[in-house]
Amino acid sequence: EPEVTQTPSHQVTQMGQEVILRCVPISNHLYFYWYRQILGQKVEFLVSFYNNEISEKSEIFDDQFSVERPDGSNFTLKIRSTKLEDSAMYFCASSEGEGEQFFGPGTRLTVL
Amino acid sequence: GNSVTQMEGPVTLSEEAFLTINCTYTATGYPSLFWYVQYPGEGLQLLLKATKADDKGSNKGFEATYRKETTSFHLEKGSVQVSDSAVYFCALRGSGTYKYIFGTGTRLKVLA
Repeated sequence: EPEVTQTPSHQVTQMGQEVILRCVPISNHLYFYWYRQILGQKVEFLVSFYNNEISEKSEIFDDQFSVERPDGSNFTLKIRSTKLEDSAMYFCASSEGEGEQFFGPGTRLTVL
Repeated sequence: GNSVTQMEGPVTLSEEAFLTINCTYTATGYPSLFWYVQYPGEGLQLLLKATKADDKGSNKGFEATYRKETTSFHLEKGSVQVSDSAVYFCALRGSGTYKYIFGTGTRLKVLA
């Protein structure tokens, strides 16, 4: 069964460093998403991406964040200069359209 | 704005007990409602969904009914099993958007 994969499963970084979180969506899907969950809080929407551009983003997704689909398979989230409060579980998801979103297992980001 | 409120966990039950996890929402228009489940080390998986008022979603013995009058989508199962131990997330997708809004998640632990 096709699934969304994410790497790495756990990323530890120093405050101020750049990180790139990677996702491989399901191959025939056209819509891609990033969500995050700070420990003990809600899963929050960050951004959606379709046709090589951002289609929607939340107020969390500021200039420090960017997304890219550098080739036909990967979908990445970059945080330019990490802050302590960026520590969270980051989930990638994909969908064919407005139907079910399929989620990856998440990347746990720890900023020290 | 749209929001989802989910009962706090953890919920601990004995095998074969009845399960209810409460979920209420606030939304304009006609949202779609979802329950996702996350097993240890895995991504969020769609458990069931309902797209309009009075719809009942069901899967693997779990059920939830979209109640517009009470703005609720409570998850129920008549007889839980140890294998149901996981974190359950209630979510909505509002009209005209692809983003999901999640509750905080409820951890269920079923004891043999």
